[in-house]
Amino acid sequence: KNQVEQSPQSLIILEGKNCTLQCNYTVSPFSNLRWYKQDTGRGPVSLTIMTFSENTKSNGRYTATLDADTKQSSLHITASQLSDSASYICVVSAVYSGGGADGLTFGKGTHLIIQP
Amino acid sequence: KAGVTQTPRYLIKTRGQQVTLSCSPISGHRSVSWYQQTPGQGLQFLFEYFSETQRNKGNFPGRFSGRQFSNSRSEMNVSTLELGDSALYLCATRQGNEQYFGPGTRLTVT
Repeated sequence: KNQVEQSPQSLIILEGKNCTLQCNYTVSPFSNLRWYKQDTGRGPVSLTIMTFSENTKSNGRYTATLDADTKQSSLHITASQLSDSASYICVVSAVYSGGGADGLTFGKGTHLIIQP
Repeated sequence: KAGVTQTPRYLIKTRGQQVTLSCSPISGHRSVSWYQQTPGQGLQFLFEYFSETQRNKGNFPGRFSGRQFSNSRSEMNVSTLELGDSALYLCATRQGNEQYFGPGTRLTVT
């Protein structure tokens, strides 16, 4: 069964500090992995999307890594800001014929709180 | 280019009633997916439409249905509402590998 596990479930850090969120998956055959940021009461917004051959991808202060051998990904946030407070969701896509949305497996997210 | 829009943004219904939610995709996007998001379960796939045809369906009871119109706008209907249907309902459109989510409709069933 395809699964995506995220840790920690929740995290509180002080403004200006760095943090790393983890995503482990068992989705097969693997197509790509995405990280989304979701503000409270809003829809998720894509941060990065990584394919099998990509190890690292950055988007401003966000850096995602992917180890396809161990089936692990991490999202590192540098110099956190109050606006980083949100849920971060890891989504893994399997290679199904047609590439439909049913090929996506969602993690339950990490709830991040940045304190001043 | 306008993003994905959903209406209404908030809705309060009573058990047993039915509800219809609407989603307008980004112009030119023909694929629309619907998701239910609850704190305990995270995002769960409901169904996907492409060119007015349902392509895929998740594991939800028949009370949940949808349709897509010729202009790619999509509606989702839930009949005989239950307390457990309270959730944020998100729709998303897709182009290539990228998925774009709407702001969601917060449904509360009392």
